[in-house]
Amino acid sequence: NAGVTQTPKFQVLKTGQSMTLQCAQDMNHEYMSWYRQDPGMGLRLIHYSVGAGITDQGEVPNGYNVSRSTTEDFPLRLLSAAPSQTSVYFCASRNWDSQTQYFGPGTRLLVL
Amino acid sequence: EDQVTQSPEALRLQEGESSSLNCSYTVSGLRGLFWYRQDPGKGPEFLFTLYSAGEEKEKERLKATLTKKESFLHITAPKPEDSATYLCAVNTDKLIFGTGTRLQVFP
Repeated sequence: NAGVTQTPKFQVLKTGQSMTLQCAQDMNHEYMSWYRQDPGMGLRLIHYSVGAGITDQGEVPNGYNVSRSTTEDFPLRLLSAAPSQTSVYFCASRNWDSQTQYFGPGTRLLVL
Repeated sequence: EDQVTQSPEALRLQEGESSSLNCSYTVSGLRGLFWYRQDPGKGPEFLFTLYSAGEEKEKERLKATLTKKESFLHITAPKPEDSATYLCAVNTDKLIFGTGTRLQVFP
């Protein structure tokens, strides 16, 4: 099992550009989520999904969109990037009956 | 407001020098407390889950304990490979992370 994979590893964007951060898991986990990690702050939940076709907002959803068309994939879209979205983004997944989350390796995003 | 605080922010230890990391929390309705290890440039790696006061979990040189207000991660005779940032998170109806303790173990 590859676990949770994320692409790209690093991305530089200009303000106003759009992009999609990819996340995939091969553990057949129902629950997937996106976090951002900023210096001096704990991981913060952006969006999450409890299964294909179901998504909901987390703590800091503004500026981000998600969709969940399959169990395996959970992409995060930035429609119009802003410097405040410079961060490291982590995708995570877990089974519905477990609280243990498994994290991907992260995507480092720099918005100029 | 639910809150998780980790201390110290950074800790430098000599190899073999045991110590403890602290995670204090004020939440309404604890459903579980988690410890993760995060290496530079990597995602958090799950270590332990604790559910109730008095519970303890061990893994190699690490031991996690839980009280009603805090959790400790005890590191016994650490080695340089234990150097990492250790994250604590509590689950209420959402997962709240602390800012972590950066541990450096020198030979």
